[in-house]
Amino acid sequence: EDKVVQSPLSLVVHEGDTVTLNCSYEVTNFRSLLWYKQEKKAPTFLFMLTSSGIEKKSGRLSSILDKKELFSILNITATQTGDSAVYLCAAVGSSNTGKLIFGQGTTLQVKP
Amino acid sequence: KAGVTQTPRYLIKTRGQQVTLSCSPISGHRSVSWYQQTPGQGLQFLFEYFSETQRNKGNFPGRFSGRQFSNSRSEMNVSTLELGDSALYLCASTPLLGGYEQYFGPGTRLTVT
Repeated sequence: EDKVVQSPLSLVVHEGDTVTLNCSYEVTNFRSLLWYKQEKKAPTFLFMLTSSGIEKKSGRLSSILDKKELFSILNITATQTGDSAVYLCAAVGSSNTGKLIFGQGTTLQVKP
Repeated sequence: KAGVTQTPRYLIKTRGQQVTLSCSPISGHRSVSWYQQTPGQGLQFLFEYFSETQRNKGNFPGRFSGRQFSNSRSEMNVSTLELGDSALYLCASTPLLGGYEQYFGPGTRLTVT
């Protein structure tokens, strides 16, 4: 059965800290991994990773995929209180391209 | 470009009733997927529609059904509601068949009493 596991499940840091969120996956015919940020509303798209070893960056956020070890990380540098949210990773297998398989999410709280 | 819209945003129903939720994808997007989000199970895939055809279906009972119209708008229906159906129902649209990026609507919060 396909599955995605995130760790840690929750994290509390102070503003300015750097955090690393982990996502491992076991998905048949893996095609892509996506990261989303969810505050008290719909998940908003952050990154899509398809190739191994190529870092994607957006401001203070960056992410990379390791297809050999079947994991991805999301890094947030110089955290701000506005980064407080649930971060979700989701995997796509080739036979179900309309279906995202989500992990449980990592709840990040950034304290002032 | 307007985002994915869902109506209604909140809904309270009684056990045994049925409910219909609506989703309008981003203009030009033709694939719509539906998810159920609960604290215990997280985000779980319900089904996906493309060109008015259901392409994928998750592991949900037959009480959960959906359809897509020619303008790509989609509806999902839940019949004979149970307390456990209380959840946030999210729909997401994708621009191309086989595309992976999904853009989510704000969701419909369904409470079953």
